[in-house]
Amino acid sequence: KNEVEQSPQNLTAQEGEFITINCSYSVGISALHWLQQHPGGGIVSLFMLSSGKKKHGRLIATINIQEKHSSLHITASHPRDSAVYICAVVSYSGGGADGLTFGKGTHLIIQP
Amino acid sequence: ETGVTQTPRHLVMGMTNKKSLKCEQHLGHNAMYWYKQSAKKPLELMFVYNFKEQTENNSVPSRFSPECPNSSHLFLHLHTLQPEDSALYLCASSDIWTITGELFFGEGSRLTVL
Repeated sequence: KNEVEQSPQNLTAQEGEFITINCSYSVGISALHWLQQHPGGGIVSLFMLSSGKKKHGRLIATINIQEKHSSLHITASHPRDSAVYICAVVSYSGGGADGLTFGKGTHLIIQP
Repeated sequence: ETGVTQTPRHLVMGMTNKKSLKCEQHLGHNAMYWYKQSAKKPLELMFVYNFKEQTENNSVPSRFSPECPNSSHLFLHLHTLQPEDSALYLCASSDIWTITGELFFGEGSRLTVL
């Protein structure tokens, strides 16, 4: 079973700061997802990665397959970025969505 | 708007009540899921339906009973729940032929058991 660890668990920062959230996993994967959950509860997919780096607006996600590690970066953070960020991995043995293993999430608060 | 709709958004029930959660997707997906999210814990997979057939029951107590009448609708029937069942219940859907496992989530139903 893949173990997914996220750090930090909680992060409070000032508006404009550069934010980094980390995710590490124990077993080889076919893909990694970064998800965002707003206080209302709904979850949206931010990125799906299997290698390298992806950028969308102020969000950047990177993955190092050899080190079994991924990072989510937020540049010029804004209070609307306040949310829980969840890392989820698709393990080789799983495949398909029922093979997803989730981290506990990182609770991010951006203060004005 | 993710294409997955859950109702009700909030539900308070006593331990002897019977209620149901509903999930609907119009994304043309062939798989639907129920997840439980408790405070400080990772998302827990409860049930998986592929093409309306239940393919996984992740050791969920029988007081939770899923129903999938068609590929667009999924229900979670609740009866004689316990206070520890209070949580956010999330529905999701996906295309099972997509091996990277991208899920589309609903907004969740926040359940409180008194």
